[in-house]
Amino acid sequence: NAGVTQTPKFQVLKTGQSMTLQCAQDMNHNSMYWYRQDPGMGLRLIYYSASEGTTDKGEVPNGYNVSRLNKREFSLRLESAAPSQTSVYFCASSESVNDEKLFFGSGTQLSVL
Amino acid sequence: GESVGLHLPTLSVQEGDNSIINCAYSNSASDYFIWYKQESGKGPQFIIDIRSNMDKRQGQRVTVLLNKTVKHLSLQIAATQPGDSAVYFCAERGGKLIFGQGTELSVKP
Repeated sequence: NAGVTQTPKFQVLKTGQSMTLQCAQDMNHNSMYWYRQDPGMGLRLIYYSASEGTTDKGEVPNGYNVSRLNKREFSLRLESAAPSQTSVYFCASSESVNDEKLFFGSGTQLSVL
Repeated sequence: GESVGLHLPTLSVQEGDNSIINCAYSNSASDYFIWYKQESGKGPQFIIDIRSNMDKRQGQRVTVLLNKTVKHLSLQIAATQPGDSAVYFCAERGGKLIFGQGTELSVKP
């Protein structure tokens, strides 16, 4: 049982480049999330998808877009990367949006030069 | 505004001792609290949760205590093992889920 799988694990981008972070879960969860983790700060919610077909902004959505491709997959796109987006990104899922017991992927370490 | 903070950024304990990790929260309306463990290079992993109508909850080797009077949460780990070395952080739900910064637990053999 893989749980939540994220790709890639590491990525280096130049300012202005674009990329998509992929996430898939095999737990049949309805809700999925993207967080970023920065030194000295707690996890911050970028976007979430309460259920297939819906997406909503979190605390720090600027500079990002998301797509809930199907129930299993939730991708995060950086259209024009900026150094301020250097961070570790985590995808997570839960049975429902009211369930705070989140299952996290192993993270993507992104550096924007 | 809302905040979740930790009293100690780092904690070093001897293998076999008990560990206590603390967390302060500021939103008195928070009704649900979670502790997560994050090992190096991995994503956070759920440890234990507690609702605001409880003041204590026990799991396997872990106990969470909630003191609503002083808005304080603690995680106790019994007989700490090297595998317990990680960053531990709490999260509170007061409308939205807010994560604390974390405490790094180091277990000395």
